[in-house]
Amino acid sequence: DTGVSQNPRHKITKRGQNVTFRCDPISEHNRLYWYRQTLGQGPEFLTYFQNEAQLEKSRLLSDRFSAERPKGSFSTLEIQRTEQGDSAMYLCASSRQGGTGELFFGEGSRLTVL
Amino acid sequence: DQQVKQNSPSLSVQEGRISILNCDYTNSMFDYFLWYKKYPAEGPTFLISISSIKDKNEDGRFTVFLNKSAKHLSLHIVPSQPGDSAVYFCAAFYNTDKLIFGTGTRLQVFP
Repeated sequence: DTGVSQNPRHKITKRGQNVTFRCDPISEHNRLYWYRQTLGQGPEFLTYFQNEAQLEKSRLLSDRFSAERPKGSFSTLEIQRTEQGDSAMYLCASSRQGGTGELFFGEGSRLTVL
Repeated sequence: DQQVKQNSPSLSVQEGRISILNCDYTNSMFDYFLWYKKYPAEGPTFLISISSIKDKNEDGRFTVFLNKSAKHLSLHIVPSQPGDSAVYFCAAFYNTDKLIFGTGTRLQVFP
């Protein structure tokens, strides 16, 4: 299976703890995106990478959030000092540069902050 | 600012009939418009797209119509099937290279 892979699929944590999500994109895709989805809403853009460069960050991405994509392959999204409002589905997607907007999404990582 | 809007949170259609899902947008700079389908506990999957220079694109049972003057697009599914029951997201794309999604419409196709 060469689709987008996300781990873990579900994370339950206590408020104040740090969590990290990993995304492995489709191997030939050089763009990688992170989105967040809460109940009743569409996916909201957080950030994206072209190769290893982080090209854009949403204002939704507070200082507690950091994303990396070392060597332009997999990516990690870390949330420090989690809050209950961080509870959401975190979606990763990848695409080729210069495409027509078609992003390929993983199954998501659901975060529950108690 | 909600640049892509789906004003109908849900739609219920009988099997075999046409489903019409609507989407409005505010930014005239969008290059492409896409529809994604999402089942519970899965990521969104691409369904169909349309370039801003076209007014119609068809793929099997799915057709997307774009009315640029009204800043409106719609997805037609005909005939609707029970397996089409899912949440449908309209999304728009422009040269900042990110998709902007609407809030989704839950489609239920009943026998």
